[in-house]
Amino acid sequence: AQSVSQHNHHVILSEAASLELGCNYSYGGTVNLFWYVQYPGQHLQLLLKYFSGDPLVKGIKGFEAEFIKSKFSFNLRKPSVQWSDTAEYFCAAGTGNNRLAFGKGNQVVVIP
Amino acid sequence: NAGVTQTPKFQVLKTGQSMTLQCAQDMNHEYMSWYRQDPGMGLRLIHYSVGAGITDQGEVPNGYNVSRSTTEDFPLRLLSAAPSQTSVYFCASSYSWDRSSTDTQYFGPGTRLTVL
Repeated sequence: AQSVSQHNHHVILSEAASLELGCNYSYGGTVNLFWYVQYPGQHLQLLLKYFSGDPLVKGIKGFEAEFIKSKFSFNLRKPSVQWSDTAEYFCAAGTGNNRLAFGKGNQVVVIP
Repeated sequence: NAGVTQTPKFQVLKTGQSMTLQCAQDMNHEYMSWYRQDPGMGLRLIHYSVGAGITDQGEVPNGYNVSRSTTEDFPLRLLSAAPSQTSVYFCASSYSWDRSSTDTQYFGPGTRLTVL
């Protein structure tokens, strides 16, 4: 069964700092990859997704992620975070939308 | 479009009680699913449906039942609530479900359930 690993569950950083969240998946076949964000008290929203093509994917709110097939990774980055980026971030992998596997999430706190 | 809606937003149950969490979408999506979210565990798939009349089990189905009589609705039933079912429950939907799908999965606002 596919699985997704996210490291450094809690991340605290100051505004304007750069953010990188790691995501590794285990799945042998073609896989679709997603990053979702959950702001405090809200539901999950899609940040970005990768299905094929350019391995560098740009999403909303200045986020981007890079798919590295050889490393089974799909790391999320943002060059300069804002206080409003305080949220929990989830990486997910699956074949199509059927039976997405989610990572355990990264709780990110941005200090003004 | 209202998107994916869930009711209730909050619920407290006693052990052994039963209840139904409601989920509806108005986007004519084929695929609907239920997840539970627990601290440090991420989201885990409970049940899913690829169309009206078709449901299947996910990763953690025990203690939950589902049915899909219409495209729009996908209720989740707790037959006899247990404290281990205290969680936040999210419903999600997408237009298609096949392996080549590139559709986004849309999530509802969640139901926070506490079982005493």
